[in-house]
Amino acid sequence: AQSVTQLGSHVSVSEGALVLLRCNYSSSVPPYLFWYVQYPNQGLQLLLKYTSAATLVKGINGFEAEFKKSETSFHLTKPSAHMSDAAEYFCAVSDSGSARQLTFGSGTQLTVLP
Amino acid sequence: DAGVIQSPRHEVTEMGQEVTLRCKPISGHNSLFWYRQTMMRGLELLIYFNNNVPIDDSGMPEDRFSAKMPNASFSTLKIQPSEPRDSAVYFCASSLTGRSGNTIYFGEGSWLTVV
Repeated sequence: AQSVTQLGSHVSVSEGALVLLRCNYSSSVPPYLFWYVQYPNQGLQLLLKYTSAATLVKGINGFEAEFKKSETSFHLTKPSAHMSDAAEYFCAVSDSGSARQLTFGSGTQLTVLP
Repeated sequence: DAGVIQSPRHEVTEMGQEVTLRCKPISGHNSLFWYRQTMMRGLELLIYFNNNVPIDDSGMPEDRFSAKMPNASFSTLKIQPSEPRDSAVYFCASSLTGRSGNTIYFGEGSWLTVV
């Protein structure tokens, strides 16, 4: 069975500071990994995804994530936070079998302080 | 290109009433998902369709909930009778299944309040 753990339900950073949102996964097969962002009162939007190609994945809005198999991690980073990055971020895992559902983490609320 | 379209965006209804949420997936997508989001339980997958056929409905909370997908461009999620604990945001999402990884595209959500 696949699962995702997001460490830290709330993260606060100052504008211009590094953003680091942590995600660890569990999967019995090579996983597909995703980060989604949800702005207030909106649906989820794909930030980036890992599909067994390059381990460092670049996404939209300056975000990137690195797949580390040895650590079973897929942490999301951005070098310099912007006020507009304030949102909830969800890590998700999908197995590569026939079931195509995503298993979502519990989410991390990012607050950007001026 | 149009994304996943959901209606209504907001609904307030009285306990006991029937609620029908509607979804139009992205054209060409063959998988459709209904999720529910609450503060307490986060994002929960309710049901998953592939090629209009329900594949996994294990997340449907109880018999009051039902979902249909009569064709590739339309799905409904019905709650009858509704209860206050059904208050949540209901998301419809769609994807095109394939080996390159499944990007699921979400609608804007239907915000349901049952009073």
